[in-house]
Amino acid sequence: GIQVEQSPPDLILQEGANSTLRCNFSDSVNNLQWFHQNPWGQLINLFYIPSGTKQNGRLSATTVATERYSLLYISSSQTTDSGVYFCAASYNQGGKLIFGQGTELSVKP
Amino acid sequence: DADVTQTPRNRITKTGKRIMLECSQTKGHDRMYWYRQDPGLGLRLIYYSFDVKDINKGEISDGYSVSRQAQAKFSLSLESAIPNQTALYFCATSDPGRQSYGYTFGSGTRLTVV
Repeated sequence: GIQVEQSPPDLILQEGANSTLRCNFSDSVNNLQWFHQNPWGQLINLFYIPSGTKQNGRLSATTVATERYSLLYISSSQTTDSGVYFCAASYNQGGKLIFGQGTELSVKP
Repeated sequence: DADVTQTPRNRITKTGKRIMLECSQTKGHDRMYWYRQDPGLGLRLIYYSFDVKDINKGEISDGYSVSRQAQAKFSLSLESAIPNQTALYFCATSDPGRQSYGYTFGSGTRLTVV
């Protein structure tokens, strides 16, 4: 099955800094998504991005499907960006998602 | 009201007890999933269901069972709870007819087995 690996496992930033989170996946996928888990445990879907680039405010994501990786960029980080960021992939559109281990981000004021 | 509701939110149970975690959704999605989250391991798929008559094992189904009572309800049971089933459990839904598939997660059930 698909293997999904994320790096780095932990990241500490000062408020205002930029960061890049990486997700590598082992096989061709039709579905790649990024999620944010806030400190209260709630999982929020950030991006659906099987290929290409998308932006939403200070966050953007790029997936290079041919090279099997995806990047999540966070610019001008804020304390509310803290939490765990997960990458998840599946072979089938709308099918079961396989998650990476996550990157735990802590943004200090 | 939340689109995907999990009950209970927190539960402490004793080793050997049977426990059921419930999930209901108002999204109208056919596809439902149960995941468990352990620190450093991400979310791992326990069971999934693509419609009421379809139940499939995920990566870590041993020790668990599920029931899809209706399109909107998907329950997870631990027949005889053991301490290493202590985890945060999430229910999720998706809709293959939507561009981003509309994955929606419940707020989670924190289960502690003592």
